[in-house]
Amino acid sequence: GQQLNQSPQSMFIQEGEDVSMNCTSSSIFNTWLWYKQDPGEGPVLLIALYKAGELTSNGRLTAQFGITRKDSFLNISASIPSDVGIYFCAGSGGGTYKYIFGTGTRLKVLA
Amino acid sequence: DTGVSQNPRHKITKRGQNVTFRCDPISEHNRLYWYRQTLGQGPEFLTYFQNEAQLEKSRLLSDRFSAERPKGSFSTLEIQRTEQGDSAMYLCASSLGTPDYSKNIQYFGAGTRLSVL
Repeated sequence: GQQLNQSPQSMFIQEGEDVSMNCTSSSIFNTWLWYKQDPGEGPVLLIALYKAGELTSNGRLTAQFGITRKDSFLNISASIPSDVGIYFCAGSGGGTYKYIFGTGTRLKVLA
Repeated sequence: DTGVSQNPRHKITKRGQNVTFRCDPISEHNRLYWYRQTLGQGPEFLTYFQNEAQLEKSRLLSDRFSAERPKGSFSTLEIQRTEQGDSAMYLCASSLGTPDYSKNIQYFGAGTRLSVL
């Protein structure tokens, strides 16, 4: 099935560092969502984006809806060990309610 | 406030057997979605319902797969004659039935992990 390009695939960072990841699509989307998934669990919603250029924060997380509507970015500031997990972007558009997910960014934080 | 509930959490079955999973959405949500997630991949869309109507199905949903939502509340996903390639996490999500596509926010359950031996 179709998946969005998400980068980086994985990253190891030191506690306290900032993290950036992005997601790109060949299609235009109306909504971007960012989720975090822990092993053996379902994805948990972090941030929802509705408009091109929109910048939204949720605590230490900030996400942006790209102006081309084909990409989105997630930043995590001052990372902590519990930020470990897999982060997925998901986009929806073209008159459908389904979402297409990215391939995921695996984050590991070194204390 | 209960979130999306999926049962069972884990299912081990032998190849060729039929399995059925259940999903209970968030109570006020009238859209319900099924996704499949294999190891190392993001979730892939299978199908979705608005109330009891199944409105979209992915080509991933072979004829061995069937999903129902008979009363517009809970949903079941059945896989007949399971194959080893069906081993995956099956995720259910629900959302409010707003007509505004841009407000269609999906909340996921914890998933059912299927292992076909």
